[in-house]
Amino acid sequence: EPEVTQTPSHQVTQMGQEVILRCVPISNHLYFYWYRQILGQKVEFLVSFYNNEISEKSEIFDDQFSVERPDGSNFTLKIRSTKLEDSAMYFCASRRELRQFFGPGTRLTVL
Amino acid sequence: AQKVTQAQTEISVVEKEDVTLDCVYETRDTTYYLFWYKQPPSGELVFLIRRNSFDEQNEISGRYSWNFQKSTSSFNFTITASQVVDSAVYFCALSESIYNQGGKLIFGQGTELSVKP
Repeated sequence: EPEVTQTPSHQVTQMGQEVILRCVPISNHLYFYWYRQILGQKVEFLVSFYNNEISEKSEIFDDQFSVERPDGSNFTLKIRSTKLEDSAMYFCASRRELRQFFGPGTRLTVL
Repeated sequence: AQKVTQAQTEISVVEKEDVTLDCVYETRDTTYYLFWYKQPPSGELVFLIRRNSFDEQNEISGRYSWNFQKSTSSFNFTITASQVVDSAVYFCALSESIYNQGGKLIFGQGTELSVKP
């Protein structure tokens, strides 16, 4: 079965630093997503991306966040100035039809 | 508004017991999709099932079965003869607007299932 990949698996950063989380969606998928899961909590939608633009974003996805699909294969989430509360698991997902395929996640730790 | 409620935060059973995980959803759409995902201790999200709002047939896959009832807005998940490997957090999720550029998943809080030997 095709897979969504994410790098790195774990990122540790200092508060105020910029981080970029990378995802490689499945190649023929058209819709892309980022979700966040704070430890012990539910998975929360951040943003969806279609046709090279954001199609929907949640209240969590404020001006500190941005997404990009720079080269037709990668899909990135950038956090400009990390806060302690950004510590979480970040999941990338992609879909072509009805089912979203999730990557293994990047655990972001902000110190 | 969309909402998914999993009222059971934690469930503990002994191996070979049957267990049912409850999921209640809210949506204004007439077309929507319901999902169950498993999150083992390793952290990844494992897809289990997708159900369309216009298909209320129950489904069985091995030891897993799902009961979808639109009248009560519920999509419950039963594991028969539970095993230690079933220990995980299980999430129910809802999606509307699949056939436009949206299709985000709204997750419930999750139910942590612990199966003891």
